[in-house]
Amino acid sequence: GAVVSQHPSRVICKSGTSVKIECRSLDFQATTMFWYRQFPKQSLMLMATSNEGSKATYEQGVEKDKFLINHASLTLSTLTVTSAHPEDSSFYICSAATGYTEAFFGQGTRLTVV
Amino acid sequence: AQSVTQPDIHITVSEGASLELRCNYSYGATPYLFWYVQSPGQGLQLLLKYFSGDTLVQGIKGFEAEFKRSQSSFNLRKPSVHWSDAAEYFCAVGANTNAGKSTFGDGTTLTVKP
Repeated sequence: GAVVSQHPSRVICKSGTSVKIECRSLDFQATTMFWYRQFPKQSLMLMATSNEGSKATYEQGVEKDKFLINHASLTLSTLTVTSAHPEDSSFYICSAATGYTEAFFGQGTRLTVV
Repeated sequence: AQSVTQPDIHITVSEGASLELRCNYSYGATPYLFWYVQSPGQGLQLLLKYFSGDTLVQGIKGFEAEFKRSQSSFNLRKPSVHWSDAAEYFCAVGANTNAGKSTFGDGTTLTVKP
């Protein structure tokens, strides 16, 4: 089946630094990737949609300068949390789609900002 | 705009008992519907999906769901629950133009009693 790999699975960073999370489709080409954020005991909230080779589309209320998304190839999208602060600590999950019918999820990245 | 409601925040069932998790959606056309399961600290695993056709959908791990257009529902069922089914369950709806861009319900936590 379609496999999506996220790296790292866990990351701890100091307040004020930036951290990059990678999302890779291992066995298919992903024309679209999605980034979600999940707070403890809560649902997934869509942050942004990225299409290969174009700028990401951010959901209302998501700071595009804080959460930089790059989808430079059909198998890789990255989310960079810039100048991270403790309130950015969360579980970030990506998904990748090859068409319009469904997307496949990565295993998520636990970000802790100290 | 699409939306999903999972009325039950927490459900407890005894091992071996039957299970039904409720999901109601709002979408202007025929939606793409999904059920996912998430274990603590993990990503999402797709249990089953409905795009069209037979309204009773079979999934993995013995789960099934029934799409009822008249009730805008997509309830998840399992005839006999195992202790390993304890997890968080999410219902999601995707637009028929881009199902990967999903809206998730708030989730239902399933506890299984021995």
